Amino acid sequence: KAGVTQTPRYLIKTRGQQVTLSCSPISGHRSVSWYQQTPGQGLQFLFEYFSETQRNKGNFPGRFSGRQFSNSRSEMNVSTLELGDSALYLCASSLGSQGEAFFGQGTRLTVV
Amino acid sequence: AQRVTQPEKLLSVFKGAPVELKCNYSYSGSPELFWYVQYSRQRLQLLLRHISRESIKGFTADLNKGETSFHLKKPFAQEEDSAMYYCALHAGNNRKLIWGLGTSLAV
Repeated sequence: KAGVTQTPRYLIKTRGQQVTLSCSPISGHRSVSWYQQTPGQGLQFLFEYFSETQRNKGNFPGRFSGRQFSNSRSEMNVSTLELGDSALYLCASSLGSQGEAFFGQGTRLTVV
Repeated sequence: AQRVTQPEKLLSVFKGAPVELKCNYSYSGSPELFWYVQYSRQRLQLLLRHISRESIKGFTADLNKGETSFHLKKPFAQEEDSAMYYCALHAGNNRKLIWGLGTSLAV
């Protein structure tokens, strides 16, 4: 079956702009989690959605938001981009337990 | 506070030598622990979880609640084991996954 798909793979944005990233989970998976990965901070949890509801949230400012649609596809939005938002954004889907997650290839966001 | 510590940022071993990637966690309840691996240019993937007590690609990991550790071991390292390894803790009422910073293994 198809894996987790994230689009786009690469993005370059300027400071102050906003960006929307998309994630299509594995068919049948209802949980989608988002992570920010940077060399210095490693993997940091952003939020998790389950059945269109945000179930968990990490310690990120309100500029980071997300949503999940009825088909379990998820989007995350970052508004008023800052240079420090440059990172690899990973999406992971799971059937139930968030621990057994299947990851996408990520979206590499560069803010200039 | 819940925390996962992987003390080694980089671990280099010779082919055929034993490997131990350390993971310590901080959690007062009953933890659920995982090891994930990321090979070069590949996506992050689950390697093993403590509940299943299985061996994947020759790797094993035992949960030691007394020492709050979940070290990943392999008796004989192979070149294809070179990758980034992450330890993760699934814990708390809100069931968040908490990640270590990762250890880069070079064989």
